[in-house]
Amino acid sequence: EAQVTQNPRYLITVTGKKLTVTCSQNMNHEYMSWYRQDPGLGLRQIYYSMNVEVTDKGDVPEGYKVSRKEKRNFPLILESPSPNQTSLYFCASSRRQGSYEQYFGPGTRLTVT
Amino acid sequence: AQSVSQHNHHVILSEAASLELGCNYSYGGTVNLFWYVQYPGQHLQLLLKYFSGDPLVKGIKGFEAEFIKSKFSFNLRKPSVQWSDTAEYFCAVNARGNFNKFYFGSGTKLNVKP
Repeated sequence: EAQVTQNPRYLITVTGKKLTVTCSQNMNHEYMSWYRQDPGLGLRQIYYSMNVEVTDKGDVPEGYKVSRKEKRNFPLILESPSPNQTSLYFCASSRRQGSYEQYFGPGTRLTVT
Repeated sequence: AQSVSQHNHHVILSEAASLELGCNYSYGGTVNLFWYVQYPGQHLQLLLKYFSGDPLVKGIKGFEAEFIKSKFSFNLRKPSVQWSDTAEYFCAVNARGNFNKFYFGSGTKLNVKP
């Protein structure tokens, strides 16, 4: 089954404790992206990747890092999480750049206390 | 930066009523336009998209949207909603210059009363 998976689905952590949210897709997609969803703000793009070792900033990249060492994986790293990063995070992938349909993961609900 | 506005934050309709959700974007050049839907507890999924050609596009589950370039709008419509259409709807755009960057609206929550 074609899908985008994210782990963990739920995470409660404390300020400053480094964490990684994993994202993996099995569709051989070149393009992957991370979003955060906050009430009243919709989805905002954090980072995206056009292919292996090619990443770029979205609209809200501050406080986040990403890497793309393999085509199927695109982890999101929070080196020093803060409470304002409490949010619902979505990973997405598509065949190529943004002209194609994005397939979204199930989301990761992160709470930083 | 681009922006996408969805003016209806919460819409409540009875079954069989007609639906129109507004979406306006701020970019004056070539754009791709999308509507995504998020059913309760499910992933976001694509309803429909516009790249070029006929400005009236049809999507899944009886939804359609019309691109009006002069109004920078891409409104979503459905002639007769069902209880199963209860969901949150997001308009999204990307633009020539960098199709890798996506901009989403704030979403519209639709509640359909049976």
